[in-house]
Amino acid sequence: EAGVAQSPRYKIIEKRQSVAFWCNPISGHATLYWYQQILGQGPKLLIQFQNNGVVDDSQLPKDRFSAERLKGVDSTLKIQPAKLEDSAVYLCASSLPGSYNEQFFGPGTRLTVL
Amino acid sequence: GENVEQHPSTLSVQEGDSAVIKCTYSDSASNYFPWYKQELGKRPQLIIDIRSNVGEKKDQRIAVTLNKTAKHFSLHITETQPEDSAVYFCAASQVFNKFYFGSGTKLNVKP
Repeated sequence: EAGVAQSPRYKIIEKRQSVAFWCNPISGHATLYWYQQILGQGPKLLIQFQNNGVVDDSQLPKDRFSAERLKGVDSTLKIQPAKLEDSAVYLCASSLPGSYNEQFFGPGTRLTVL
Repeated sequence: GENVEQHPSTLSVQEGDSAVIKCTYSDSASNYFPWYKQELGKRPQLIIDIRSNVGEKKDQRIAVTLNKTAKHFSLHITETQPEDSAVYFCAASQVFNKFYFGSGTKLNVKP
C-alpha cells in the first residue's frame, strides 16, 4: 500500500514570498490533516478535512494560510506571505473516517524562511 | 480545546532499563490515545494506542496505561534498546478524529 506523499520535501524562501505544499493521501482515506511541527515541538493541527469539507481550521492563521482539497483527494496548503516564524516542517496525514482510526503521516516538507 | 501535557521532555536511560513517559489531558471527551515514535528527520509512526474503555494495553516491550479519572496516560518501554532512541509523542483524540499532540519526549538509550 502506498503511503502519504508530499512535495516538495524541502523549500527555502525569503520572507514575504509565497509557497505551496502538496499532499496525496492514502487511497480511500477520507480524512486529511495538515500539521505544523516547529523544531522541538509536537505537531500542531492547522486544518482537518473530511472529503472536501473542512472539519476544523481553528488554528489556521487565515490571514496568510489557506488550504483546499478539491475533489476530496489531493490537498494543497499555501502560505502567502511567509514570515520567519513559519519555518517548520509541514506534515500531511490521512486516516479513514470515524473514531479510533490510525493516522498515517507523510514525510513532511521542511520550510525555511529567511 | 484539549490541552495535552507531556513529561519529561528528555529521558536518558541505560540499555536494558525501563523508560516511562507520562501525559495528561484536559478534556474528558477525549477517547483515543495514540503514541507516536519519530526518528530524526522521519515521519511520526504509530507504535501503540489505547481507547478510553481500556485501562492497559501491551505489545511486546511496549505498554500503555490509561487513568480516565485522573486524565493521564503513560507509555512504558521495557528492556530498552539503542534503536528505541527517538522522540515520542502522545496524543489525545476526540470526536471526528481531532488530534492534539504533546510536546514530545526525547529518549536516549545509552549502550
